[in-house]
Amino acid sequence: KAGVTQTPRYLIKTRGQQVTLSCSPISGHRSVSWYQQTPGQGLQFLFEYFSETQRNKGNFPGRFSGRQFSNSRSEMNVSTLELGDSALYLCASSFTDNRYEQYFGPGTRLTVT
Amino acid sequence: QKEVEQNSGPLSVPEGAIASLNCTYSDRVSQSFFWYRQYSGKSPELIMSIYSNGDKEDGRFTAQLNKASQYVSLLIRDSQPSDSATYLCAVNRGETSYDKVIFGPGTSLSVIP
Repeated sequence: KAGVTQTPRYLIKTRGQQVTLSCSPISGHRSVSWYQQTPGQGLQFLFEYFSETQRNKGNFPGRFSGRQFSNSRSEMNVSTLELGDSALYLCASSFTDNRYEQYFGPGTRLTVT
Repeated sequence: QKEVEQNSGPLSVPEGAIASLNCTYSDRVSQSFFWYRQYSGKSPELIMSIYSNGDKEDGRFTAQLNKASQYVSLLIRDSQPSDSATYLCAVNRGETSYDKVIFGPGTSLSVIP
């Protein structure tokens, strides 16, 4: 079974621009979560989508948004990029039960200059 | 009090020794517990999950859970240099399908040849 895939793997953007990241979950997984990882803050939860609905949201500003499509693929968007948005953005997929065993994609390394 | 706490390390152990990684959590109703391994520059990889009090063994890894003490640990027997990584503890309440997974800050493990 193919793992979680994320595109692009690397991205360099300028402050003020916007960016869209994509995630394809493991086949059969309907829950997709997004995380931001930085050296100082660790792994921070952004949001989770299940059946095209946002089910949980972390403490990030409204510039961070996401969506999920009917095939469970998910995108996240960051508008008006700030230098502090430079991070590794990770997508994780899981089955629909409560156990929440999550499987991570390789991540997208975003650099904002 | 942070929701999930871990010693940041670095924890250094000689090759062949037992590495002991500890994690405490604040939410008493938590039901699902996970250990992830993250190599430098890579994404987290699920290595163990545990749901009931007691020990769960998988190869050289043993997860231990004590819900009364709100404590979960990971033991790595016969540590190898390839085990050098950051180990993330993650906890999920699991009471509803809407509960998200909370990650600890991670413990850096270095296995010295």
